[in-house]
Amino acid sequence: DAGVIQSPRHEVTEMGQEVTLRCKPISGHDYLFWYRQTMMRGLELLIYFNNNVPIDDSGMPEDRFSAKMPNASFSTLKIQPSEPRDSAVYFCASKYWGSNEKLFFGSGTQLSVL
Amino acid sequence: GEDVEQSLFLSVREGDSSVINCTYTDSSSTYLYWYKQEPGAGLQLLTYIFSNMDMKQDQRLTVLLNKKDKHLSLRIADTQTGDSAIYFCAESQGGSQGNLIFGKGTKLSVKP
Repeated sequence: DAGVIQSPRHEVTEMGQEVTLRCKPISGHDYLFWYRQTMMRGLELLIYFNNNVPIDDSGMPEDRFSAKMPNASFSTLKIQPSEPRDSAVYFCASKYWGSNEKLFFGSGTQLSVL
Repeated sequence: GEDVEQSLFLSVREGDSSVINCTYTDSSSTYLYWYKQEPGAGLQLLTYIFSNMDMKQDQRLTVLLNKKDKHLSLRIADTQTGDSAIYFCAESQGGSQGNLIFGKGTKLSVKP
């Protein structure tokens, strides 16, 4: 299996632009998580899905952030409009029910908003 | 609410043992985890321990759990330069099907 695949690996954009991050979970996994990592705040959970349905989005910073999972093999995290404080590494992770919470992480998207 | 605390930095010499400590708050956590993050990569599961165990050993890794004090530690024997990474402690939120709550990570530096 190729693991969790995220794209792009790096994204540099200007303040105010729309940013879309993409994730393909491991086939057969029914949970998908979006995390944000910064030096100051560490690893923060933004939102997670179970069977494509958002379960907990309490970590989404504000209305500028939105996430979708149209099918079991694809999810997006969108920021519109982006701001410099959104600069971080965004990770997608997946797992399957009954896996004792073993999360498999993608390599992350390094986002820089200028 | 749930919280996981760990020291931010640890520096050891190659060949020495490293001990990374963590405290957590959710006593209902079924499992506790150690994840490793190498530069430019995502987190990878290193090891985990079931909450009714006191100790788990896996080659150079030893996990100790003190459930009364909600204290978890990871010992790496014969630490190598390749062990340099950030180590995250995590607890499962609200039981076995909950989300994971991560600490901020301990950056381990191994000097030759």
